[in-house]
Amino acid sequence: DAKTTQPTSMDCAEGRAANLPCNHSTISGNEYVYWYRQIHSQGPQYIIHGLKNNETNEMASLIITEDRKSSTLILPHATLRDTAVYYCIVRVDNYGQNFVFGPGTRLSVLP
Amino acid sequence: SAVISQKPSRDICQRGTSLTIQCQVDSQVTMMFWYRQQPGQSLTLIATANQGSEATYESGFVIDKFPISRPNLTFSTLTVSNMSPEDSSIYLCSVDRNTEAFFGQGTRLTVV
Repeated sequence: DAKTTQPTSMDCAEGRAANLPCNHSTISGNEYVYWYRQIHSQGPQYIIHGLKNNETNEMASLIITEDRKSSTLILPHATLRDTAVYYCIVRVDNYGQNFVFGPGTRLSVLP
Repeated sequence: SAVISQKPSRDICQRGTSLTIQCQVDSQVTMMFWYRQQPGQSLTLIATANQGSEATYESGFVIDKFPISRPNLTFSTLTVSNMSPEDSSIYLCSVDRNTEAFFGQGTRLTVV
């Protein structure tokens, strides 16, 4: 079973920041928080991952609370092409471990 | 990143027949993963395929229904056997690289 809970769906206005929350209250000390997204009819795409420090890349920022029981993925300027299902996954950062996908959050970016 | 090519991208099959899905990776990987995504659902792991050994299946999936081959470090196949309409799903292969997972574009299977 997935170890994360996310809202089923969210809306965001185009050009605004999209903040997607994720709860992972049972996360273990050696588990990372990963974010993937799946645009309709495509395979999941890696966005970002982190252990305890906040992370930023060209796609998004990941904010992890100090107790690591929750996190937020931030898309700073959402576009229509960011409409997708976003999956928050916790996983040990070892090669060969599969990802356990929950239902994710369906983000709709509105014009 | 990893480039993963899956074939076919989609197919419509008659019930009772079998379909073999191919997954080709642009470089050698030890483990490959096969997932199923039923309509409107999230991804579920079917099995993990190591080169040179039998695949490891998750609960609810059996080798007779989903035989997997892994003849070398860049290629794997998944067969969906004796298909029924309940097998209509997207099937995806995945590999790990630098602790990130990369996915193929999936095979959209419709069984009629």
